[in-house]
This record gives sequence, C-alpha cells and structure tokens, in this order.
Amino acid sequence: SQQGEEDPQALSIQEGENATMNCSYKTSINNLQWYRQNSGRGLVHLILIRSNEREKHSGRLRVTLDTSKKSSSLLITASRAADTASYFCATDAGYDKVIFGPGTSLSVIP
Amino acid sequence: DVKVTQSSRYLVKRTGEKVFLECVQDMDHENMFWYRQDPGLGLRLIYFSYDVKMKEKGDIPEGYSVSREKKERFSLILESASTNQTSMYLCASSPPISIGQANTGELFFGEGSRLTVL
Repeated sequence: SQQGEEDPQALSIQEGENATMNCSYKTSINNLQWYRQNSGRGLVHLILIRSNEREKHSGRLRVTLDTSKKSSSLLITASRAADTASYFCATDAGYDKVIFGPGTSLSVIP
Repeated sequence: DVKVTQSSRYLVKRTGEKVFLECVQDMDHENMFWYRQDPGLGLRLIYFSYDVKMKEKGDIPEGYSVSREKKERFSLILESASTNQTSMYLCASSPPISIGQANTGELFFGEGSRLTVL
C-alpha cells in the first residue's frame, strides 16, 4: 500500500529555474522525509519535517508540510543540471515502517 | 562516513534458482530494511528487522525470506527465483526506534542490486 503520492510524475525545467514537487499522503503521520535518487543508485536522504513543523530549509531546498491537507511540497531553487534525479517522499506508516511514493523524475536542462 | 554495502550490483539468475542478496552496514543500526523498486511503483517494502533474529513482513513478502544472524548483516533470500522478481533491490538501515515512538530515523541506503531472472 502506498502512503505517499508525488506529483508531477515527471518535470523538465531549464537550469536556474525553480522546481516544485508535491506529495500527498493518506493517513496521519509523525514525520515526512524527502529523498533523492540518481539514476541506478541508492537513495540519499535530503530532509525530514515533523508533523508539528510547517516549513523547513536546507540550502537550496525548502520543504513545506500541511497536515490539514495531508500534503507536502519540495522546492529546489536555482536548479542545476546536477539536480537531475528522482525525488521521493516517504512517510512513517506505523512504528517501524517507512513507506515511499512512486517519485518525481526531475530533468534540469543546461 | 556511514556505509551500507550490498554484495552485488548486478546479478543474472535462472528461474528456480535460490538467490541470496547480502547487505552489511557499519553504523551499528538496529533497524534494517529490504525494498524492491520497479518503474512506476516506487519502492515497496519486502521485509524489515529491528533486531538480531527479528523480522517483520512488509507489504510484499511473498516469495522472499530474510535472515538477520548478526546486527550488521541482513540477507534477502529468494528461495526459487521467478521472472516477476526481476527488479532493483535496495537495502537500508536506520537508527533505533524508541519504544512507543514512531520511526523518525533517516534511512541510509546501499547502492542497490539489480537482479535479472531469466
């Protein structure tokens, strides 16, 4: 069962533009995480936001969380070609599980 | 640097073969996970373990088993490989969960093992 769903499935932008990805989930959460995956590699953790937080920043990344709408967004500002990757949101589903969405594929064109 | 190492990046096996995928972490993490990743489906949890010799089924455990004899090692076993098990397999570990607390730990992933079953 998938807890999170990212939107859009694919996104293509020019270098220097901002990229926004959204994640919706179904049940109550304690935290939500965003991960990045370069093609053919493992996932790398980007940022974690707790349910009592509304916004969090890390470098060029900005994550928001709206628990009333059960949604989160990841904003990458001033994108670079090196940001080309797949991005996944992940939510806690019970005490032990972390459940991932299908991901957004981001292409940044130089 | 923290490290999760998966024994094989690429494997090709035949239908019916027994397949072992090994994962080792050097962070002394209690929790370890096996996911499979397929296009359009994202990551799906197969099994996880929160202690040595402990295991819990994830969302898609059918056709798989796991072994956790030592804290640092978590093995995924395909008893009789089938073509629908062709996939990318990802191992991850995370810090311990406090009893009564939800998992708030960052997952550390290996590089993945791409398995093709012919």
